[in-house]
Amino acid sequence: DAKTTQPTSMDCAEGRAANLPCNHSTISGNEYVYWYRQIHSQGPQYIIHGLKNNETNEMASLIITEDRKSSTLILPHATLRDTAVYYCIVRVVLFSGGYNKLIFGAGTRLAVHP
Amino acid sequence: NAGVTQTPKFRILKIGQSMTLQCAQDMNHNYMYWYRQDPGMGLKLIYYSVGAGITDKGEVPNGYNVSRSTTEDFPLRLELAAPSQTSVYFCASSPTTTGGRNQPQHFGDGTRLSIL
Repeated sequence: DAKTTQPTSMDCAEGRAANLPCNHSTISGNEYVYWYRQIHSQGPQYIIHGLKNNETNEMASLIITEDRKSSTLILPHATLRDTAVYYCIVRVVLFSGGYNKLIFGAGTRLAVHP
Repeated sequence: NAGVTQTPKFRILKIGQSMTLQCAQDMNHNYMYWYRQDPGMGLKLIYYSVGAGITDKGEVPNGYNVSRSTTEDFPLRLELAAPSQTSVYFCASSPTTTGGRNQPQHFGDGTRLSIL
């Protein structure tokens, strides 16, 4: 599985967009990019994932560069409740019968302030 | 929506004691996982299961045992508690991978375990 690099911490003003970068320069063609977050004292929460096209859901948008060596998670209107550690993970696609192993790094600690 | 339920939420053990961390999910997921998270670190996989009766080791299995007799339950057992096992333990589950597309994992809120 490819290794990811994320900034240790970031700040964002409430109501503004939070853009969290992730580098995965050794990603291979069959690896997805996943984003999870962990709010203090809770279990990790799935946010979004994608292969090469940009993805959007009710929580966030995922922008993957054309060469797939980096990506950005965008929280369009950050709130205080978005303060959390955000994990970027790359994972090989497993076909039927496989398990979904996730390798968590240290992540980015996002602080949203008023 | 119960999702993944872990019990207990907190526990203090003495060195050498044993205990079982309980995990139950009501989403009919085939895959279940146990992770541990040390302070300031990411999660590390201890054991996982792809279905009832089938378990396998993850990255850090030493000192732990698991069983999977039903789809819903996946208990984690510590036989001889050691200070190095002080950590937060998370259980997760996910649906079967289909069509070549991984399914996200759903996590419980964790068990905070201290070994003194």
